[in-house]
Amino acid sequence: DAGVIQSPRHEVTEMGQEVTLRCKPISGHNSLFWYRQTMMRGLELLIYFNNNVPIDDSGMPEDRFSAKMPNASFSTLKIQPSEPRDSAVYFCASRRTGNTGELFFGEGSRLTVL
Amino acid sequence: GESVGLHLPTLSVQEGDNSIINCAYSNSASDYFIWYKQESGKGPQFIIDIRSNMDKRQGQRVTVLLNKTVKHLSLQIAATQPGDSAVYFCAENIGGSQGNLIFGKGTKLSVKP
Repeated sequence: DAGVIQSPRHEVTEMGQEVTLRCKPISGHNSLFWYRQTMMRGLELLIYFNNNVPIDDSGMPEDRFSAKMPNASFSTLKIQPSEPRDSAVYFCASRRTGNTGELFFGEGSRLTVL
Repeated sequence: GESVGLHLPTLSVQEGDNSIINCAYSNSASDYFIWYKQESGKGPQFIIDIRSNMDKRQGQRVTVLLNKTVKHLSLQIAATQPGDSAVYFCAENIGGSQGNLIFGKGTKLSVKP
């Protein structure tokens, strides 16, 4: 079974541009999580979904960030407009709802905003 | 095992020695805990988990100890190998089966050959 798939793996963009990160969770997993990782703040939960419904978005830094999950096999995290302080590695992770079992992480999307 | 500012706590051990990585968690209502390993350029990978009704769990070469009284978690790695070099995170589950995992800042393990 394929793991969590994220794209792009690397993105370099200029301040003010729109960035869209994509995630395909593991088939059968209906909880999906977006994390951001920086040296200063470690792994921060941005938002998570259960059965495509956002449950907690309190970690989303500001209105420039938005996330959607239109179906069980796809989610996007969008930053518009992007700023240099958004530079980080963004991870998507999934697990089965109702199971406090492990989260399965993707390989991450490394974002650099110049 | 919590980081301060830019610097991760680092544990340096000799190959073959045992390693102990510590973690303090924040919420006394947390019901489930996981240790993750993250190698450079990769996503975190599951190592071992423990539920709050247990105080010890063993895996292959790894043991997790949970002390709920002082909200402390530790990961013991036996016979540490160079391949164990990575950053290790503890995570606590808050909110039951509908909840989310909150991660600590991590500890960097460096294994000297």
